[in-house]
Formats: sequence, structure tokens, C-alpha cells
Amino acid sequence: DQQVKQNSPSLSVQEGRISILNCDYTNSMFDYFLWYKKYPAEGPTFLISISSIKDKNEDGRFTVFLNKSAKHLSLHIVPSQPGDSAVYFCAASAINDYKLSFGAGTTVTVRA
Amino acid sequence: NAGVTQTPKFQVLKTGQSMTLQCAQDMNHNSMYWYRQDPGMGLRLIYYSASEGTTDKGEVPNGYNVSRLNKREFSLRLESAAPSQTSVYFCASSEITGSYGYTFGSGTRLTVV
Repeated sequence: DQQVKQNSPSLSVQEGRISILNCDYTNSMFDYFLWYKKYPAEGPTFLISISSIKDKNEDGRFTVFLNKSAKHLSLHIVPSQPGDSAVYFCAASAINDYKLSFGAGTTVTVRA
Repeated sequence: NAGVTQTPKFQVLKTGQSMTLQCAQDMNHNSMYWYRQDPGMGLRLIYYSASEGTTDKGEVPNGYNVSRLNKREFSLRLESAAPSQTSVYFCASSEITGSYGYTFGSGTRLTVV
């Protein structure tokens, strides 16, 4: 049973608008969360992360929000650009663990 | 700045054939991992190696074996390939306590016919 769930397989957004990607998790031992971005024929690359002691982390156009009580995190991309078209994976690791559990991914398409 | 290198990039096998996927990293990372990516399933951990000399099963280890040859290299072997092993395989490495998670290779697309 997947412990990290991305229930939206795809998202289409107009260039310049906000993209919001959602992720839910079931394991209460998870304390570190990451987002990875993947282009076709390439490996995933790290995008942004957040520790469970925070509820928000921002890096340029990318912001991750964490709601521990709801076991939910989201990634906001503002403004969306054509180069943001990719698959985004949510991942999590547990306390004192270094293995990552990944969600199924959300394919983002940014329309011109 | 090679990072994580996987070979081969593509492979077609017949059912029952064996092969080894190679992975090498040049970042002096302690931990290495093998994942498979399937549509709708995301990335699932096959095997991992926390440090040189140790290996452990992940979420989907059946049908696979691994070898941590040294700190740099971590190989994945399919002894008798099955169509269910058709997938894209990613190798990754990390520091045990790194804040940025893993560094991934570019993947091996394997088709078993």
C-alpha cells in the first residue's frame, strides 16, 4: 500500500498562472518531505524540501506547504513557465531513515 | 561532474535471459538505491545499500539481486527476466543524512519480451 499518494495524475495550467500540486501521506513517522521534477528520458532531480518542524518553505517560484495534522503537503509554482512542464514526484522519509517513499507523480503541462 | 552513471540506457531481453544493470557514482556518497518506475505506481524501491558492504531489500525485491562492489558501484541483476520486469530502472545515491535527498541516474529502459 502506497504511503505517499498523489491523486491527480495530471495538471494543465496556463503560462503565468499558479500550479498547485497536492500530496497526501499516511505514515505518521514521516518527518522530511521532498519534491522531485522529472523530464522525459532523464532521472528525477531534487526541487525543494521541507522538514516537519516547518509549515512552509520557499525557493524562488516554488513554495511547499506542509499541514501535519492533515498529513498533506502541496507544491505551488508561481508563475508557471513552459519549462515547468514535467512530472513531479512527492517523496517522504521517516525519522532516522534515509529511504524515500515516492508518490505516483503528477504530470504538469504548462500551456502558452 | 558525472554524478550517477547508469549503463546501459536501453535493453531488450527475452523471457528467461539474465542481465546486470550497472551503476556508479562519483560523489563519495555512502548510500545507493535501485528503484523501478512504472505507470501509475511512481518509484518503488527494489534494493538499497546503506553503506559499502551492506545491502537490504526494499519494497519490490523479488526477481532481483544486487551487489555493492565498492563505495562507488552498485549493480542490479535479473537472473531470469520476466515480462513483469519491463520497466524503467533508476539508480540513486545519497549521503545518509543529506538534506537534498537523492541524486538519480538517467535510467535504464528495460523491455522483456
